[in-house]
Amino acid sequence: AQKITQTQPGMFVQEKEAVTLDCTYDTSDQSYGLFWYKQPSSGEMIFLIYQGSYDEQNATEGRYSLNFQKARKSANLVISASQLGDSAMYFCAMREGDGGADGLTFGKGTHLIIQP
Amino acid sequence: DVKVTQSSRYLVKRTGEKVFLECVQDMDHENMFWYRQDPGLGLRLIYFSYDVKMKEKGDIPEGYSVSREKKERFSLILESASTNQTSMYLCASSLRHNEQFFGPGTRLTVL
Repeated sequence: AQKITQTQPGMFVQEKEAVTLDCTYDTSDQSYGLFWYKQPSSGEMIFLIYQGSYDEQNATEGRYSLNFQKARKSANLVISASQLGDSAMYFCAMREGDGGADGLTFGKGTHLIIQP
Repeated sequence: DVKVTQSSRYLVKRTGEKVFLECVQDMDHENMFWYRQDPGLGLRLIYFSYDVKMKEKGDIPEGYSVSREKKERFSLILESASTNQTSMYLCASSLRHNEQFFGPGTRLTVL
């Protein structure tokens, strides 16, 4: 079974609209972390936002927020007021356990295209 | 700013060659990682290291080895490159369990 599932291979959204990118995860660990990364066409991976499994509040970073629903094992990324520069691949990822050295498990990504 | 650099952006090698991919980070991070990225598959973890001379296998270590002789440098080695190792290789580093910072990637083509 996939540990990170992103069900939207691609999305087209009008500029200035809000966007929700879906992510569900699967783990039996009590302690874990969830991450979202953006990868523009230039290829670099840009960290956007982090949510720890024990965090009670949803994480927010500027226009990005993470809609964390622990019981449903979902960690959707919400981008408010989308901009043309938001066009990119977006990856959801998970770190399991408390081990700081653990690698991340990534989803297959969502290709977001913002249209003017 | 954290900086993670990789020795090459593009590399072309022949089947059977030994290939070294180098990664250097300048923020004294304990943890370093190697991923490969393929279309439709996302990123997959090859190896990681949590300290000098320490290494752990990730999800797809077959055909690869790593070396970490200094804290800032983490090398990925393809002992005998094969065409199915044509991919984008991404190095990352992190401090404890915080976010990982990625390098620009090396696009490797094996002919």
